[in-house]
Amino acid sequence: QVQLQESGPGLVKPSQTLSLTCTVSGGSISSGSYYWSWIRQTAGKGLEWIGRIYTSGNTDYNPSLKSRVTISVDTSKNQFSLNLRSVTAADTAVYYCARGTNRYCDSNSCYGWFDPWGQGTLVTVSS
Amino acid sequence: DIQMTQSPSTLSASVGDRVTITCRASQSISSWLAWYQQKPGKAPKLLISKASTLESGVPSRFSGGGSGTEFTLTISSLQPDDFATYYCQQYYTYWTFGQGTKVEIK
Repeated sequence: QVQLQESGPGLVKPSQTLSLTCTVSGGSISSGSYYWSWIRQTAGKGLEWIGRIYTSGNTDYNPSLKSRVTISVDTSKNQFSLNLRSVTAADTAVYYCARGTNRYCDSNSCYGWFDPWGQGTLVTVSS
Repeated sequence: DIQMTQSPSTLSASVGDRVTITCRASQSISSWLAWYQQKPGKAPKLLISKASTLESGVPSRFSGGGSGTEFTLTISSLQPDDFATYYCQQYYTYWTFGQGTKVEIK
């Protein structure tokens, strides 16, 4: 079955860019009508969706983070990545990657649940 | 933004108890709601989609209900493995999660 694994630095300095990669195994990132998301979890704000990407390259971002986030995909490596710029201590969180399904579509986009998830990686923003 | 509010935040119960968690949406989301279980140090695990559809492999003691703005997750007979934190998540417009309900041992 499909498995996801996050990787990247566990410590990032304030004002720098947080960069994480999610590697998909057990299946092709391009197969099926899925999208690939980043979600983070903090003690204060709980679970927060960051953004998603289709293998076509189409992206959607959380409006609260949109100005600082870029998600990209590399189908040849079965990976997708997150860049979050100008980080502060408030960006300290466990970051998860997850696969999303298209189960409901409105006039603009399609949405669904997340399954499976990666195990998560803690990123601390500190000097 | 659609806000999701869970109650209670913490629930103390014993093995064998029937427990119900409530999730309310700030606007109607039809049945576009999922429930997840999370244990310490682990990722959330999908339990229920479309408000009431049990995922494969999830024990039948879990059930979901509701539509519109009010939803429930019920565990009919709490088992030791069920002590965890539970989250609801809407996928009607983008995605937002409830703040979680921790089910702890009484």
